[in-house]
Amino acid sequence: DVQLQESGPGLVKPSQSLSLTCSVTGYSITSGYYWNWIRQFPGNKLEWMGYISYDGSNNYNPSLKNRISITRDTSKNQFFLKLNSVTTEDTATYYCARERDGYNWYFDVWGAGTTVTVSS
Amino acid sequence: DIQMTQSSSSFSVSLGDRVTITCKASEDIYNRLAWYQQKPGNAPRLLISGATSLETGVPSRFSGSGSGKDYTLSITSLQTEDVATYYCQQYWSTPPTFGGGTKLEIK
Repeated sequence: DVQLQESGPGLVKPSQSLSLTCSVTGYSITSGYYWNWIRQFPGNKLEWMGYISYDGSNNYNPSLKNRISITRDTSKNQFFLKLNSVTTEDTATYYCARERDGYNWYFDVWGAGTTVTVSS
Repeated sequence: DIQMTQSSSSFSVSLGDRVTITCKASEDIYNRLAWYQQKPGNAPRLLISGATSLETGVPSRFSGSGSGKDYTLSITSLQTEDVATYYCQQYWSTPPTFGGGTKLEIK
């Protein structure tokens, strides 16, 4: 079975960049599917952030404008989130998740999540 | 963006109850609706897609219905393990958006 696991710093200072890794086991991220980042704010609101597809294409939530970048390392079967110029409003639990076909954007496999706090 | 509204943020239920959770979209989403279950400390779990299609392994006491803007998740005979927060999510248009969640609590 495919499994996803997030990792990265739990504390980031305001104005810096947030960088997270999603390690995928049980399936090659170049074989198919769409690999997403979703975050959950304190108070439980969920926000889709963006994806990188099996062929390396991206799609981002316009609300994140030019702050977001999702890349991958196919040799390690990992994909990454970078969010620039963070503020305290970026404090959230960050999940990586799989979406099956790039058309029906629901998420059938999730990582356990990693909590990131933005604070000086 | 399409706004998803779950009118009840929480309500108290009894074991064995039939529970109905509602979700309303700000526009027609043509059954492009998913439901998730989230327990404390865990990631959301996909229960239903396409408004009515149960994911493999999800108990048959869960069902989804609706059309247009209005959708429901029903649980017949609530079990202890069903106590959780439930989220709807539309995927008719990008970006996909989630409802605010409905938390079930035991009376």
